[in-house]
Amino acid sequence: AAGVIQSPRHLIKEKRETATLKCYPIPRHDTVYWYQQGPGQDPQFLISFYEKMQSDKGSIPDRFSAQQFSDYHSELNMSSLELGDSALYFCASSLGLAASSYNEQFFGPGTRLTVL
Amino acid sequence: AQSVSQHNHHVILSEAASLELGCNYSYGGTVNLFWYVQYPGQHLQLLLKYFSGDPLVKGIKGFEAEFIKSKFSFNLRKPSVQWSDTAEYFCAVNGQNFVFGPGTRLSVLP
Repeated sequence: AAGVIQSPRHLIKEKRETATLKCYPIPRHDTVYWYQQGPGQDPQFLISFYEKMQSDKGSIPDRFSAQQFSDYHSELNMSSLELGDSALYFCASSLGLAASSYNEQFFGPGTRLTVL
Repeated sequence: AQSVSQHNHHVILSEAASLELGCNYSYGGTVNLFWYVQYPGQHLQLLLKYFSGDPLVKGIKGFEAEFIKSKFSFNLRKPSVQWSDTAEYFCAVNGQNFVFGPGTRLSVLP
């Protein structure tokens, strides 16, 4: 069965550079979540999208932006990278966001970003 | 490769019933262990975590989990569930890599 795809799997950047992480949800899933997991920490919620609109916002820095496209894939854009941005970035997808529906969440393998 | 399994895909309980959700992992080294909850329409929230020390960990909302190293298990428990506990529960293990389990859906009937 198809799973959530994230690309690239590994990315190395230098300070002040920009990075773009991509997430391709499971087919027909319309909701995407982004999480950041720093070294030795548990994942922190960044932002989510439902039907191409931002649905919830967590601890996402102003230097980061994200969007969801018409094919439901999502991109996380990170500018002016800092050393502290080095982390594993997880994407998850689900179907539907209505509180009455059961939107089981599926996780991608993560993109490991290293900022030098 | 490191993996995480959760015993049940879907658990259905009545209110006030006791809950135990199983989680097993495969990694022989030192691990940090987590349980997350995802309520319908929301993102993940951390219930509890184990890093070291007392293997019985207490979390929010009356949940607890016990790390049994010899069994590579970290089962989640709650003595009396409520309708509001209806959610998806994810076990996660940080060893060689950070890996989520497939999740267990809990439905609590009023």
